[in-house]
Amino acid sequence: QKEVEQDPGPLSVPEGAIVSLNCTYSNSAFQYFMWYRQYSRKGPELLMYTYSSGNKEDGRFTAQVDKSSKYISLFIRDSQPSDSATYLCAMSGNTGGFKTIFGAGTRLFVKA
Amino acid sequence: GAVVSQHPSWVICKSGTSVKIECRSLDFQATTMFWYRQFPKQSLMLMATSNEGSKATYEQGVEKDKFLINHASLTLSTLTVTSAHPEDSSFYICSANIGAGANYNEQFFGPGTRLTVL
Repeated sequence: QKEVEQDPGPLSVPEGAIVSLNCTYSNSAFQYFMWYRQYSRKGPELLMYTYSSGNKEDGRFTAQVDKSSKYISLFIRDSQPSDSATYLCAMSGNTGGFKTIFGAGTRLFVKA
Repeated sequence: GAVVSQHPSWVICKSGTSVKIECRSLDFQATTMFWYRQFPKQSLMLMATSNEGSKATYEQGVEKDKFLINHASLTLSTLTVTSAHPEDSSFYICSANIGAGANYNEQFFGPGTRLTVL
């Protein structure tokens, strides 16, 4: 079993839709949860990070962490064609070294 | 925001040659830098963790004699792919760590280097 599971998609939605991206994980030591956006042939850029459980909102983006279920989500409201990218979840914690573990990434296409 | 650059952005080389990739933190000092490899439509695979002034820590299965890492200053780490072969063709991405307290590991990524070995 992978430490972090993420559906690679692709996920295709119409412009304006609400997008829900999710990851599950197995290691309860993870405390920091991040979402990165990666455009084709570019390095990932940090979108949001959350410590422990709870919600965090930034503009059209909302990150949720449910540690009891080992489940994290990223919601994108009013999705735009420019949101088309690969979204990677990532997490780290005191797992014997603070390595960051990445999900496989979900490819998102927002159609105009 | 924190900016990380990589050079070159792409490189094509012949099999058997060595290629050096540079990773620089432009507006901050990075005690720790990370090197990743990414195959098409796959996630980032950590290759090694590079600490300034000390030897890099390689992940299991990564040949340290093939992927030489040098972190000579707080703003520069280099990855040298020695005797490159076609199977080394990949997208190599570095990141630099900005610590925010003892536990948080926020990484800022470079734009990546696409290596093609003929």
